[in-house]
Amino acid sequence: SQKIEQNSEALNIQEGKTATLTCNYTNYSPAYLQWYRQDPGRGPVFLLLIRENEKEKRKERLKVTFDTTLKQSLFHITASQPADSATYLCALAKRGNNRLAFGKGNQVVVIP
Amino acid sequence: NAGVTQTPKFRVLKTGQSMTLLCAQDMNHEYMYWYRQDPGMGLRLIHYSVGEGTTAKGEVPDGYNVSRLKKQNFLLGLESAAPSQTSVYFCASSSVAGGLTSTDTQYFGPGTRLTVL
Repeated sequence: SQKIEQNSEALNIQEGKTATLTCNYTNYSPAYLQWYRQDPGRGPVFLLLIRENEKEKRKERLKVTFDTTLKQSLFHITASQPADSATYLCALAKRGNNRLAFGKGNQVVVIP
Repeated sequence: NAGVTQTPKFRVLKTGQSMTLLCAQDMNHEYMYWYRQDPGMGLRLIHYSVGEGTTAKGEVPDGYNVSRLKKQNFLLGLESAAPSQTSVYFCASSSVAGGLTSTDTQYFGPGTRLTVL
């Protein structure tokens, strides 16, 4: 069966350090992968998209990698700040299919 | 630009009651989606629409109906609410897919917290 796995344990990290989150998937051949941020009581907000033929994408302090051989994406927040505390969701989409399949999310807590 | 809006924000129903959740978007998006989010389950797709007048089933469609009479609106109905439908419901929209440059980014509303007693 198809699975998207994110760590269920919250990641507690000191301010200024790099937070790294993992998204693993099985039985998918995604055309691209997206990362979203969700704050408590709010809807998810799009952060980054990386396509199957791309290895790495960056946006300000965010970096995403995509390894289709390992079936894994890594999401990095460099120089983390308390304002980065949130839950981060990965989502996969198949080619030509607008339906996204979401992971359960991984909470990040940045400690001042 | 309001983006995606949802009404109501909160609702408490008794088992067997019916209700409709309204989603509206002002971005002229073709695609609209309804998700539910439960603790430990993540976001699950209930129904979606690829254009005005069309609807399709997602991952967990049972107990829900939808309609897309206008491009900007997507309604989610519960005909006979059950406690298992207690959840947070999110609506989302995205532009038409296709092409190497398509991002298919989904824009989410703020959610509706529904409790069924």
